[in-house]
Amino acid sequence: EVQLVQSGAEVKKPGESLKISCKGSGYSFTSYWIGWVRQMPGKGLEWMGIIYPGDSDTRYSPSFQGQVTISADKSISTAYLQWSSLKASDTAMYYCVRGIAAADAFDIWGQGTMVTVSS
Amino acid sequence: QLVLTQSPSASASLGASVKLTCTLSSGHSSYAIAWHQQQPEKGPRYLMKLNSDGSHSKGDGIPDRFSGSSSGAERYLTISSLQSEDEADYYCQTWGTGFNWVFGGGTKLTVL
Repeated sequence: EVQLVQSGAEVKKPGESLKISCKGSGYSFTSYWIGWVRQMPGKGLEWMGIIYPGDSDTRYSPSFQGQVTISADKSISTAYLQWSSLKASDTAMYYCVRGIAAADAFDIWGQGTMVTVSS
Repeated sequence: QLVLTQSPSASASLGASVKLTCTLSSGHSSYAIAWHQQQPEKGPRYLMKLNSDGSHSKGDGIPDRFSGSSSGAERYLTISSLQSEDEADYYCQTWGTGFNWVFGGGTKLTVL
């Protein structure tokens, strides 16, 4: 079964750092893109960025460039989304997605990681 | 600018059919899209990829009740024989050149 399994919920304070993960299984991890999508409470879906684990080519939405870092470790089929200094406005559900190609649909979704940032 | 427009809400009766619309911005009427379903308190699920000619390919396990069609800049998702579990938010998604993925604002479907 093709699936993306994400790390568990996180509760952090403003200014703290965080790295969440997304592990792919059931397919060739290095042959598909892995993207990240944000959903703020009660809101819609926003594409943040994407990485190709085969060569670590990484692209960001202009809205998220400089705000987060996307990486991948192909040896363990895992992609990451990290923040160096969290803000309260980063409170959201974060989903990883599999991209069929560099310009194509997202066809597999992770179960989501809830990140809560509160003092 | 690549933009997808969806009506915020729709409703239909149990057992009936409903057609949801996603409209591509001017100049982008040839673009393919994808439809995703998000049931309450759950993560999204990929339903299908829908091309400008109306051809579509569904994700694994997606019932035949879900189908797609296209007309000009509009992309449709039709759900027939509505069931209670179809009550969900439905998002369309497209992609441009230069690594640019866009989601519509979503349509909240209520099954009456």
